[in-house]
Amino acid sequence: EPEVTQTPSHQVTQMGQEVILRCVPISNHLYFYWYRQILGQKVEFLVSFYNNEISEKSEIFDDQFSVERPDGSNFTLKIRSTKLEDSAMYFCASSLGTSLRNEQFFGPGTRLTVL
Amino acid sequence: DQQVKQNSPSLSVQEGRISILNCDYTNSMFDYFLWYKKYPAEGPTFLISISSIKDKNEDGRFTVFLNKSAKHLSLHIVPSQPGDSAVYFCAATQSGAGSYQLTFGKGTKLSVIP
Repeated sequence: EPEVTQTPSHQVTQMGQEVILRCVPISNHLYFYWYRQILGQKVEFLVSFYNNEISEKSEIFDDQFSVERPDGSNFTLKIRSTKLEDSAMYFCASSLGTSLRNEQFFGPGTRLTVL
Repeated sequence: DQQVKQNSPSLSVQEGRISILNCDYTNSMFDYFLWYKKYPAEGPTFLISISSIKDKNEDGRFTVFLNKSAKHLSLHIVPSQPGDSAVYFCAATQSGAGSYQLTFGKGTKLSVIP
């Protein structure tokens, strides 16, 4: 069964450093997403991406964040200068994106720890 | 700003009985609702969904009910099995408005006791 994969599973970084989180969405999916879950809190939407551009973003997704689809398979989230409060699980998801069926398939997540 | 609320953080049910997980929402623009299941160290897994034009959707042991006037939905699992023990997230979206972001509730941890 096709699945979304994410690397690394755990990333530890120093405050102020740049991190890139990587995702490989399901191959025939057209929409890609990043969500995060701070420990003990709910899963929060960050950004959606379609046709090589951002289609929606939340207030959390400020100038420190960027997304890219550098090739036909990878989808990345970059945090330019990490803060302590960026520590969270980051989930990538993808979907076919049709209007009535919006099942988003999630990857296993990357745990980001900012020290 | 909790647009999707799951007021029960946890629920324990005996194996074989029915599990009922509840979810309330405040945004009347939501028109598509989903339930996800999450095991530790894994991402959320899609379980079942319902469009606002329906009031019930069934898939095997899982049934989702939607009461639009009350802005309430529920997930019924019958019979419950120990493998159903997980955190269940309710999520909603405004697909009709061309938005695909999911708004999640905080989740309910279901424990099915053998």
